[in-house]
Amino acid sequence: SQQGEEDPQALSIQEGENATMNCSYKTSINNLQWYRQNSGRGLVHLILIRSNEREKHSGRLRVTLDTSKKSSSLLITASRAADTASYFCATDESGANSKLTFGKGITLSVRP
Amino acid sequence: EADIYQTPRYLVIGTGKKITLECSQTMGHDKMYWYQQDPGMELHLIHYSYGVNSTEKGDLSSESTVSRIRTEHFPLTLESARPSHTSQYLCASSDAYQETQYFGPGTRLLVL
Repeated sequence: SQQGEEDPQALSIQEGENATMNCSYKTSINNLQWYRQNSGRGLVHLILIRSNEREKHSGRLRVTLDTSKKSSSLLITASRAADTASYFCATDESGANSKLTFGKGITLSVRP
Repeated sequence: EADIYQTPRYLVIGTGKKITLECSQTMGHDKMYWYQQDPGMELHLIHYSYGVNSTEKGDLSSESTVSRIRTEHFPLTLESARPSHTSQYLCASSDAYQETQYFGPGTRLLVL
């Protein structure tokens, strides 16, 4: 069964707006990571949050983690057209020895 | 930009042919991974390696095989390609202490 499930599946916003994407998972984790994938390309790591952290920032990115609800959210502030991509959450499950389990991804479209 | 390379980027081949997808990284990473990704879908781990002469099957069963004779090289081979193998194949690596993965640009395989 799938570990990470993102919500919504697709999101379309206007440039300058904030984009919020959610991820839920099922088992205990060491950390949760968010990756970005531009069409037809490989994934690029964005941010990692450990199981003992609740919030982390990196530039225009803010990620939160609620281990009691087994959920995470990624906020992109002041979105740009260049943020248009698919975003994946990936969980590093406890005992999985650094293997990541990816969700299906969220397609974000930012309209100029 | 990560120093991980995949060739070819695109491959169209007939049923029954033997193919090898190449993956090389210049970062000296011990851990390497192969994922399979259908369009708009999640990544599925099909093979991984924690070092030279170490290979393991991933969560998704695959008819492909891998080898790890050198640290920097992790090729994937399909002995007899079939249309069901049509997909995008992504290679990734990480070092022993990092929890994040660096991805190559992927190989899009089409088996006719």
